[in-house]
Amino acid sequence: EDQVTQSPEALRLQEGESSSLNCSYTVSGLRGLFWYRQDPGKGPEFLFTLYSAGEEKEKERLKATLTKKESFLHITAPKPEDSATYLCAVRNLMDSSYKLIFGSGTRLLVRP
Amino acid sequence: GAVVSQHPSRVICKSGTSVKIECRSLDFQATTMFWYRQFPKKSLMLMATSNEGSKATYEQGVEKDKFLINHASLTLSTLTVTSAHPEDSSFYICSARTGRDNSPLHFGNGTRLTVT
Repeated sequence: EDQVTQSPEALRLQEGESSSLNCSYTVSGLRGLFWYRQDPGKGPEFLFTLYSAGEEKEKERLKATLTKKESFLHITAPKPEDSATYLCAVRNLMDSSYKLIFGSGTRLLVRP
Repeated sequence: GAVVSQHPSRVICKSGTSVKIECRSLDFQATTMFWYRQFPKKSLMLMATSNEGSKATYEQGVEKDKFLINHASLTLSTLTVTSAHPEDSSFYICSARTGRDNSPLHFGNGTRLTVT
C-alpha cells in the first residue's frame, strides 16, 4: 500500500535558523512527488514536483531534494512568513486517475 | 495561471439541510476535478474524482448519495452535502489540473462547513 510519512509533525525555528523537513514514502513505483504549502484555513499551494532520485528544485529559501525513499524540504534562513504547514504527496507510477497520496504535513512556525 | 476558485469559504447549516459547494477553474479548462476532505491537523483525504460529462468516481467508504457531485462544464464542479449531520462538519477542498500528464493539482481555498 502506498504511504507517505512526514516528520517532524511540528517544528519551531527562530528566524534565520535553517532546517529540513522530511517526507518518507513507500510506493511501488514513483510517478511524481509533490510539495505543497498550506496556510491556516486555506487550500494547499503548489511548490515543487520531483520525478526521479537525485533531482533538486529551488524556490527562494526553499530547496526540495529526492532520493529513492524520501524527500527533504530544506529551508534556508527562514522568515516568519514561511510559517505554514508543508504537505508532501506522491503519485504512483501505475496511477491513471491522478490520485495523490498525502502525508499529514509538518507545521512550521518561524519566530522573529 | 491555474487559479481554482471555491465558494462559499464558510457555511453554517442546520442538521437535515443540504449545502452546495462550487469549484471553478478560472483560467483553464479542467476535465477532471477532485474533492478532498481535511480534518484538523490531518492529511487531505480524497473523496471523489469528478469527470466532466460523466459520473463521479467515489473513494471507498464515501457515500455517493450523501455527497453528490456534478461536473456540468469544463470549468465547474459542485459538491452537494445532502441531509447534513454534525459529523459532516469539516474542511472541504476542491482541486483541478490542467491536463498535461504530470501537471500539479491546483487547489481552491476550501470551504469550512459547520453543521449545527
